Amino acid sequence: DAKTTQPNSMESNEEEPVHLPCNHSTISGTDYIHWYRQLPSQGPEYVIHGLTSNVNNRMASLAIAEDRKSSTLILHRATLRDAAVYYCILKYIFGTGTRLKVLA
Amino acid sequence: NAGVTQTPKFQVLKTGQSMTLQCAQDMNHEYMSWYRQDPGMGLRLIHYSVGAGITDQGEVPNGYNVSRSTTEDFPLRLLSAAPSQTSVYFCASSYSHSGMSTDTQYFGPGTRLTVL
Repeated sequence: DAKTTQPNSMESNEEEPVHLPCNHSTISGTDYIHWYRQLPSQGPEYVIHGLTSNVNNRMASLAIAEDRKSSTLILHRATLRDAAVYYCILKYIFGTGTRLKVLA
Repeated sequence: NAGVTQTPKFQVLKTGQSMTLQCAQDMNHEYMSWYRQDPGMGLRLIHYSVGAGITDQGEVPNGYNVSRSTTEDFPLRLLSAAPSQTSVYFCASSYSHSGMSTDTQYFGPGTRLTVL
């Protein structure tokens, strides 16, 4: 099964960029990389996804390594509302994610 | 669109009782799934369905049954509740499930279940 590895927790200051890394060395050639986040007491919500090229949307950017074995979710200016657990997943396997703490 | 809805929001059961968690989606998604999330943990896949009449087991299927008689509904049944099934249950749906772009999942708000 596809598996991802993420740091357990990260901290960022408000208004600063945040780079959340994810390793997925067992990714297969056609798997998309999806990122979700889970705010306290809510279900996960979609953030962004990509295959090979870097992707941008209104929430974040996704940088994908050339060999596709890792990716980085970039929040350009963290706000207090971005404090959440961020999951990088392949297909339907969720790891424990990265808990992002944003400091005012 | 209401998206993915789940009922009830909270439930307390006694050991041995049975119940059904309801999940419905109005996006005409073929793929639906159930996850459980234990405190401080990620989500673990219980069962999933790739379309009406088709279901399959995920990582942790024991103690749960599912059926998919319509595209919209995907109920999860606990046959004989145990304290180990105390958890938050999330239902999700997506257009597809093949590791593709259209796999983006939409999650319901969750059902918080306590088994005493």
